[in-house]
Amino acid sequence: SAVISQKPSRDICQRGTSLTIQCQVDSQVTMMFWYRQQPGQSLTLIATANQGSEATYESGFVIDKFPISRPNLTFSTLTVSNMSPEDSSIYLCSESRGHTEAFFGQGTRLTVV
Amino acid sequence: RKEVEQDPGPFNVPEGATVAFNCTYSNSASQSFFWYRQDCRKEPKLLMSVYSSGNEDGRFTAQLNRASQYISLLIRDSKLSDSATYLCVVNRNDYKLSFGAGTTVTVRA
Repeated sequence: SAVISQKPSRDICQRGTSLTIQCQVDSQVTMMFWYRQQPGQSLTLIATANQGSEATYESGFVIDKFPISRPNLTFSTLTVSNMSPEDSSIYLCSESRGHTEAFFGQGTRLTVV
Repeated sequence: RKEVEQDPGPFNVPEGATVAFNCTYSNSASQSFFWYRQDCRKEPKLLMSVYSSGNEDGRFTAQLNRASQYISLLIRDSKLSDSATYLCVVNRNDYKLSFGAGTTVTVRA
């Protein structure tokens, strides 16, 4: 099974600031994803992090708000920009091997005040 | 319509009981189906994949009905440690996963 290290595990941020979340996988993976899980709700896909090219965003999510980097096959970052209290959520990175099991990082619990 | 819809629960059952719940999915072209378990303040982890013929893993049984586009999970002989949120997950055929909102199960002593 894959090991995914995600940090920070939690943060409290002032509105208007930005936070970058890092995700490190212990082996090279083709596909990495970023999800948001708002309180009491399920996971919503933000974007697919593509190695060597721009991320692919899902409807309702834009690059200016959630810039993503994927410099190599084991690492990705998600930035939550110009934060507002509505961005308070858990953010999770994931790697998926196509139609088989997906592994998740431990999540970043973000509170914007 | 949501891509994946689940019984929200919560299901509150005594130890040893059987509990079952379903989810439905909207994309008839979906090929892969899973149940994930998410404990409070933790990341989701795969409980079991769901196969067309139905499959069992110890006390857990999953069924898939492609014609009706629903998936079920049954837990027999519930343990306290089974208390969690169970997420129904469907592969969208583009290697992306769609998650249901989760069914909360609480097993009481």
